[in-house]
Amino acid sequence: SQTIHQWPATLVQPVGSPLSLECTVEGTSNPNLYWYRQAAGRGLQLLFYSVGIGQISSEVPQNLSASRPQDRQFILSSKKLLLSDSGFYLCAWTLKGGTEAFFGQGTRLTVV
Amino acid sequence: TQLLEQSPQFLSIQEGENLTVYCNSSSVFSSLQWYRQEPGEGPVLLVTVVTGGEVKKLKRLTFQFGDARKDSSLHITAAQPGDTGLYLCVGNNRKLIWGLGTSLAVNP
Repeated sequence: SQTIHQWPATLVQPVGSPLSLECTVEGTSNPNLYWYRQAAGRGLQLLFYSVGIGQISSEVPQNLSASRPQDRQFILSSKKLLLSDSGFYLCAWTLKGGTEAFFGQGTRLTVV
Repeated sequence: TQLLEQSPQFLSIQEGENLTVYCNSSSVFSSLQWYRQEPGEGPVLLVTVVTGGEVKKLKRLTFQFGDARKDSSLHITAAQPGDTGLYLCVGNNRKLIWGLGTSLAVNP
């Protein structure tokens, strides 16, 4: 069966510090991968998606970047965090051509 | 810009009551999904509807896809505290378009 791992679960970082959130998927190959950010109790904002290794599409210009160094690994990064980067970050995957999204447990990021 | 509007945004009811949540758009979707999310966790898929007019039931939850495939509703019968969470609808139109969600609280 497929599983998705996302870590860390919570993170408190000072303004100006770097960020690296990692997501890995097991039990499937060549998935589409997504990073979302969610404001408290509200809907999901798509940040990045990837259809293959090294292929990243950005939906919203911002302080963040994403990379996909391996087929089932997706990384969200920032060189210098801003206060506005605080939020709940979710990694997800779908099959090629599929619509059902499977989500990780999320990372609660607080920038102080 | 494609939008998917959900209403109401917030809903607080007593255990045993019925409720309906709506998801509306001016865009036509090839399919639409409903997810439920509990605090601090990722959303989990409840159902996918594909055909206009389709009705699907999941225990006390009834999902309907509009005839024109632009809207959907979720009806919960005899709500229970375990139904508490954020309900998200997602339309598929070559891209996934997410609604902002309905936050439901069912009080015992």
